[in-house]
Amino acid sequence: QVQLQESGPGLVKPSETLSLTCTVSGDSISGYYWSWIRQPAGKGLEWVGRMYTSGTTNYNPSLKSRVTMSVDTSKNQFSLKLSSVTAADTAVYYCAREAGIINYWGQGTLVTVSS
Amino acid sequence: EIVLTHSPGTLSLSPGERATLSCRASQSVSSNYLAWYQQKPGQAPRLLIYGASSRATGIPDRFSGSGSGTDFTLTISRLEPEDFAVYYCQQYGSSPWTFGQGTKVEIK
Repeated sequence: QVQLQESGPGLVKPSETLSLTCTVSGDSISGYYWSWIRQPAGKGLEWVGRMYTSGTTNYNPSLKSRVTMSVDTSKNQFSLKLSSVTAADTAVYYCAREAGIINYWGQGTLVTVSS
Repeated sequence: EIVLTHSPGTLSLSPGERATLSCRASQSVSSNYLAWYQQKPGQAPRLLIYGASSRATGIPDRFSGSGSGTDFTLTISRLEPEDFAVYYCQQYGSSPWTFGQGTKVEIK
């Protein structure tokens, strides 16, 4: 059974860079698309973007200028960096495995942007 | 990007009743690449339906999806206590993938 676990700071200062890592267990990270989805408290879901293990990326245009995703196949991990954060970036961030449909999700990690 | 609109925003029903949730797209969803997810408080979403009408692995047959083009429906034939949750549709036919704002199914 594929399991995903997000990790990273729960508090980030405005204008700084949010960095999260997702560790995948139960299967190899190779050969799949891996995504980040976020959800502000009490609100809906927003697809941040995805990357294939070859390095191909697709980012949401609304965030594209600030997002970088990367993968480390040796550690079975993939990562998200979101730069120049503001309070509007405060959300639960989920990592996921997807093929368009999102069939494996991490439990989510809350990231708060505040000074 | 494709905007998905749920209706109603909240559905108040009793266990055993039938629930009908609607998701309308601002433009046609390519190849009916439309999925439905269930989310309970404090949990990640769970995939229920993909391709507009195919049930995901392990999903009970009281959940069914239908529709095409711009209009899609999720039906729960008889609500069980564990079905009270928020439901989201998602399109994955055109990047960026987008989600609707959700329909909350609450106990009446």
